[in-house]
Amino acid sequence: GAVVSQHPSWVICKSGTSVKIECRSLDFQATTMFWYRQFPKQSLMLMATSNEGSKATYEQGVEKDKFLINHASLTLSTLTVTSAHPEDSSFYICSARDYQVGSYEQYFGPGTRLTVT
Amino acid sequence: QKEVEQDPGPLSVPEGAIVSLNCTYSNSAFQYFMWYRQYSRKGPELLMYTYSSGNKEDGRFTAQVDKSSKYISLFIRDSQPSDSATYLCAILQGAQKLVFGQGTRLTINP
Repeated sequence: GAVVSQHPSWVICKSGTSVKIECRSLDFQATTMFWYRQFPKQSLMLMATSNEGSKATYEQGVEKDKFLINHASLTLSTLTVTSAHPEDSSFYICSARDYQVGSYEQYFGPGTRLTVT
Repeated sequence: QKEVEQDPGPLSVPEGAIVSLNCTYSNSAFQYFMWYRQYSRKGPELLMYTYSSGNKEDGRFTAQVDKSSKYISLFIRDSQPSDSATYLCAILQGAQKLVFGQGTRLTINP
């Protein structure tokens, strides 16, 4: 149980275009999902916390107009990178909490590798 | 000062060795500590978590927290080539925010 999927697993896009990444909790309801980015050989940095039915909370330094997050259902959150630039190329990982379990554990998706050319 | 500091390695040991991975943290108020394993190009998976001080053992893995020195450790006994991965420590800040260390890249040589 506690499986989180991401789609696509990798994407290449041209500079200036927008890219949408989906994060789904497959076998549990996730009232809260989290979006991270990870540069090569670096750690995961939290970008934003997404609560179902409300606006996302962004970490300091993360542009909310550039990284649009939507959490419209208990099993789906999306991250849209708008007007992507090469410096946005990174590994984007989502995670989700299963509040019914009552633990602090976050279940991570397999990640999406974004390359902007 | 970073909230969580971790030696990025890389660390290379022979199969069967005992591996010690360590992190330090800055805020004595932190109570929940996690270790994640991440294989290349994959998302992290939770190995163990501990609350407050003490040890926790799960098979070949032991997590240790020393709150007096703000030091957390993960020990791997009888290391296997399949243990080769990046290991990330993390602390829970507040109710739900995870703050990760940089990660230590570990290679177990057959």
